[in-house]
Amino acid sequence: SAVISQKPSRDICQRGTSLTIQCQVDSQVTMMFWYRQQPGQSLTLIATANQGSEATYESGFVIDKFPISRPNLTFSTLTVSNMSPEDSSIYLCSAQGSGDPETGYGYTFGSGTRLTVV
Amino acid sequence: GQNIDQPTEMTATEGAIVQINCTYQTSGFNGLFWYQQHAGEAPTFLSYNVLDGLEEKGRFSSFLSRSKGYSYLLLKELQMKDSASYLCAAPFGSGYNKLIFGAGTRLAVHP
Repeated sequence: SAVISQKPSRDICQRGTSLTIQCQVDSQVTMMFWYRQQPGQSLTLIATANQGSEATYESGFVIDKFPISRPNLTFSTLTVSNMSPEDSSIYLCSAQGSGDPETGYGYTFGSGTRLTVV
Repeated sequence: GQNIDQPTEMTATEGAIVQINCTYQTSGFNGLFWYQQHAGEAPTFLSYNVLDGLEEKGRFSSFLSRSKGYSYLLLKELQMKDSASYLCAAPFGSGYNKLIFGAGTRLAVHP
């Protein structure tokens, strides 16, 4: 499976500011996704990052708040805009490349960015 | 709609067996995943079931019943390092490329 590098690993930000999180995959992948994981909870899909076009957002998430870029098949960014304390969470990048059932169909995850908004 | 339910927390003793249940309701079905996630780390793949029955992989096994919308993860010979969250997930969307996750079950293994 592909290996994902995500940075920063953590940050503390002032409310009203924006943070851009980078996700680099070590091989070309078909799909890239961004998830949010609030403390002690599971992963919620924010959006699918589409190469060369606008991201596809899930219900409850909008482009103005979470702009996403994907300029090529190995890289994506998620920006958390105009942050408030409610945005404090872990943000994870995920990718799906080639893979079979034995390896989970190539789904892999970054280690996440732990964001604290003060 | 899509919904996945699993218990929030479980505790077990080192060396014992524990079963973590997952029930799902999805529009369409294309298999079920189990992931392990240690605190502060990325989820890692454990198993994938698409047909009914039990899949065994060493100390970990996973079971699926499509008619009941039910799966479980069975962990044998528990070790302290098995203390983690266990996430049940199902593909959804037009191409079944996206994953929806259950809330996760936090397992604490005690000596």
